[in-house]
Amino acid sequence: QSALTQPASVSGSPGQSITISCTGTSGDIGTYNLVSWYQQHPGKAPKVMIYEGSKRPSGVSNRFSGSKSGNTASLTISGLQAEDEADYYCCSYASSRDYVFGTGTKVTVL
Amino acid sequence: QVQLVESGGGVVQPGRSLRLSCAASGFTFSSSAMHWARQAPGKGLEWMGNILYDGSNKYYADSVEGRFTISRDNSKNTLFLQMNSLRPEDTAVYYCAREGGSYYLSHWGQGILVTVSS
Repeated sequence: QSALTQPASVSGSPGQSITISCTGTSGDIGTYNLVSWYQQHPGKAPKVMIYEGSKRPSGVSNRFSGSKSGNTASLTISGLQAEDEADYYCCSYASSRDYVFGTGTKVTVL
Repeated sequence: QVQLVESGGGVVQPGRSLRLSCAASGFTFSSSAMHWARQAPGKGLEWMGNILYDGSNKYYADSVEGRFTISRDNSKNTLFLQMNSLRPEDTAVYYCAREGGSYYLSHWGQGILVTVSS
C-alpha cells in the first residue's frame, strides 16, 4: 500500500477555515467510507479527530469536520485557533485488510 | 480511563530481535482489536499491523510481513510486537493503539523508541 497523499503544509490566520486534502485510490478511500483523521502535537501521541469520514469522537470540537468525494477525503478546521497548530494525518482502511496513513500535513496558525 | 503503556524499547544491533509490550487498562482488552504503528524520526506515521480481539487473525504491512509478529495475552491485558531481523530503517517510535470499533484508532500509547544501530 502506498501512503495517501496530503499537502505538506497548510496555513491560516486565527478565525479562518482551512481544508486538508487526502487523496487515495479506488482500493481505499474510493471504496470505503472509513477514513479517520489524527492530530499530533510535537512529541505527543496522535489523537483521533474524525472517524468514518465525518464522525467526531466525544470531546472533539465541532470546528473539525470531515468529508469525502471520490478518492479524496478532506478535513476542515473552522475558526482556526492557535492550539490547532499541529501535524494532521489521514488514515484509511483498504481492500487488502490493511490500513494506510497519509503523508501528513503541518498546519501553521499565522 | 483507557491507558496503553508501551515498554521494551531501546538500542539494538542490526539483525537482532526485540519484543515490545503494551500494557492495557481501563477497557475490556479481550473485546478490542489492537494495532501497532510507528513513526521514524521526523517522518510520518506508518501502520504496522493489527490483531483481532481473540488473536484469531493478524494483518501486517508489506514492509514488515515475515519479520514482525503481533500477538496478545488477553489474560494479562497485554499486546506484543516481536521484531526480528531488525534493520536501521526500523528505527522509530512505536505506538500501540486500540481500535475504536469502526476501523479507526481510538486510543494510543505514549510511544516507545527503538533504535537499530551498531
